[in-house]
Amino acid sequence: QSALTQPASVSGSPGQSITISCTGTSSDVGNYNLVSWYQQHPDKAPKLMIYEVSKRPSGVSNRFSGSKSGNTASLTISGLQAEDEADYHCCSYVAGATLVFGGGTKLTVL
Amino acid sequence: QLQLQESGPGLVKASETLSLTCTVSGGSISTSDYYWGWIRQPPGKGLEWIGSIYYSGRTYYKPSLRSRLTISADTSKNLFSLKLSSVTAADTAVYYCARDNAWGWELPGSFDYWGQGTLVTVSS
Repeated sequence: QSALTQPASVSGSPGQSITISCTGTSSDVGNYNLVSWYQQHPDKAPKLMIYEVSKRPSGVSNRFSGSKSGNTASLTISGLQAEDEADYHCCSYVAGATLVFGGGTKLTVL
Repeated sequence: QLQLQESGPGLVKASETLSLTCTVSGGSISTSDYYWGWIRQPPGKGLEWIGSIYYSGRTYYKPSLRSRLTISADTSKNLFSLKLSSVTAADTAVYYCARDNAWGWELPGSFDYWGQGTLVTVSS
């Protein structure tokens, strides 16, 4: 059970859009629509931003969207704002009833 | 408002057992709508799912930790617990408990409520 692969860092300017990828295998991301995304500010608990690939919990801005193609899931943040600067983690269900997270991506708003 | 609170020793000696409890308030753990999970984060690193428990008592463990891990629940006290034996420095991390909203799925990984986290350091 290997961790999902995320870029270590991404950056963007205010108002721009960025996309964070999360690559797995056919045993996890590729075969199940159970990918979630979490935002984590320093020294804070993670916050659920996207679940079931593309669904947003109540209260999460519609600037956050999720998608999936093959073994890769993606989180897109549009209209980038300073408060979006944080770490982002993806998570997927894995065959056999376990879960796996990605290594996390640090988003810098320039 | 649902709240989760981790509690337990912040320092554990190597080779001993790490024990943490997550007390849930504002909602019951005895419901089929949710799973209850443990996630940890080593300093400066990413999140790692440790395991989860369902209201029925069924447990789900990360395969590499299964031999050392026990997750249990006490529905009368509305809490669930983690025991990790034979700890090493690699088990040093912030440990979070969280609610996994099932949305009708088995173990979806949709952790919508989290505790604040507790740092556990393993000393040699």
